[in-house]
Amino acid sequence: ELKVEQNPLFLSMQEGKNYTIYCNYSTTSDRLYWYRQDPGKSLESLFVLLSNGAVKQEGRLMASLDTKARLSTLHITAAVHDLSATYFCAGDLNYQLIWGAGTKLIIKP
Amino acid sequence: DSGVTQTPKHLITATGQRVTLRCSPRSGDLSVYWYQQSLDQGLQFLIQYYNGEERAKGNILERFSAQQFPDLHSELNLSSLELGDSALYFCASSGNRGVSEAFFGQGTRLTVV
Repeated sequence: ELKVEQNPLFLSMQEGKNYTIYCNYSTTSDRLYWYRQDPGKSLESLFVLLSNGAVKQEGRLMASLDTKARLSTLHITAAVHDLSATYFCAGDLNYQLIWGAGTKLIIKP
Repeated sequence: DSGVTQTPKHLITATGQRVTLRCSPRSGDLSVYWYQQSLDQGLQFLIQYYNGEERAKGNILERFSAQQFPDLHSELNLSSLELGDSALYFCASSGNRGVSEAFFGQGTRLTVV
């Protein structure tokens, strides 16, 4: 059974700071996904990480995958208010997405 | 725009009633997933269909049922509604090219009064 744990679940930070969200998973997952959700809105796909050592970057967000450690990270560089949202990671087992609980990120001006 | 269409966007109904939520997946996607998201809750996986067949079942109540039609659109039926069923219901779809990245619809906000 694949379990996905995110931490922290809540993060309040100042603009301009860097921080990392962690996503641990319990067993082998073929792929790891990161999604963003604004309050009351849908989920938007951010990154798909397909292999060990994969690193993807989009703007101030960078995601990486370490399959040996069963860990993915989402790093935020020089945070801006527009990045305030809830971020979910999801593992993939037999094409079934298993979701973390989400990290609610609040970035204060 | 993810290409996944859900209708209706909002639905207000009374306890005990039955509603149907509709989802049209992205063109070419064979898998459809249904999720429930209550206020301040995470995503609860309900059920997945692949090319018309049920593929996986999550925490779906017996009062809820779903199906995927030959044209690949899907419907989620919720019956004997209770106040606690008030939530955002999302549909997502994914393709069949080895990567199950799911694309989400805008959701149906169901309010049971």
